Amino acid sequence: QVQLQESGPGLVKPSQTLSLTCTVSGGSISSGGYYWSWIRQHPGKGLEWIGYIYYSGSTYYNPSLKSRVTISVDTSKNQFSLKLSSVTAADTAVYYCARENIMITFGGVIAPFFDYWGQGTLVTVSS
Amino acid sequence: SSELTQDPAVSVALGQTVRITCQGDSLRSYYASWYQQKPGQAPVLVIYGKNNRPSGIPDRFSGSSSGNTASLTITGAQAEDEADYYCNSRDSSGNHRVFGTGTKVTVL
Repeated sequence: QVQLQESGPGLVKPSQTLSLTCTVSGGSISSGGYYWSWIRQHPGKGLEWIGYIYYSGSTYYNPSLKSRVTISVDTSKNQFSLKLSSVTAADTAVYYCARENIMITFGGVIAPFFDYWGQGTLVTVSS
Repeated sequence: SSELTQDPAVSVALGQTVRITCQGDSLRSYYASWYQQKPGQAPVLVIYGKNNRPSGIPDRFSGSSSGNTASLTITGAQAEDEADYYCNSRDSSGNHRVFGTGTKVTVL
């Protein structure tokens, strides 16, 4: 059973960098075939995809956050990490890490889905 | 468009059927997946692909897709199905992921 666990400071000061790590157990990031994502949820709001990393290190980011986001992977520790720079109160949210799996249907249609999620960690931006 | 649009809220009588829809141009190219989220909890995958349920998800949950619209149907809604539901897929470029705006399901 794959498990993901977020860790990092729960309080970050404005203008500083938010740093979180997701530790994966029960499966290896370096085995390939999955995309490792960060997703956040502002209080009382919907889900927002932040970006993903593949085990090879390739990344894609939400265009709205791209200038401030860096996602990295450490396959030796089976972890991937999120850095979000120049944070403001608008970055206060619950941050989730998740594994994206992909199924290719018989008709050749791609069916992506997030099959495992961390429990989430609340990060508050405040002085 | 990179957006996935859902109705904000729907209600269903206990034991009845409710359909939640998700609209977006990218759904013509990719299947949606559906997530249930209860207060204070992480989202849980309930439907993926054409109509696949992960282990442990009751068979009252089903999915379908037509054109630019994906649907999640709960047949015989139970009190424990009261939650927020989100769809998810790729954007039209295929590189970015996008979540729907979310639907709050109330079981009366």
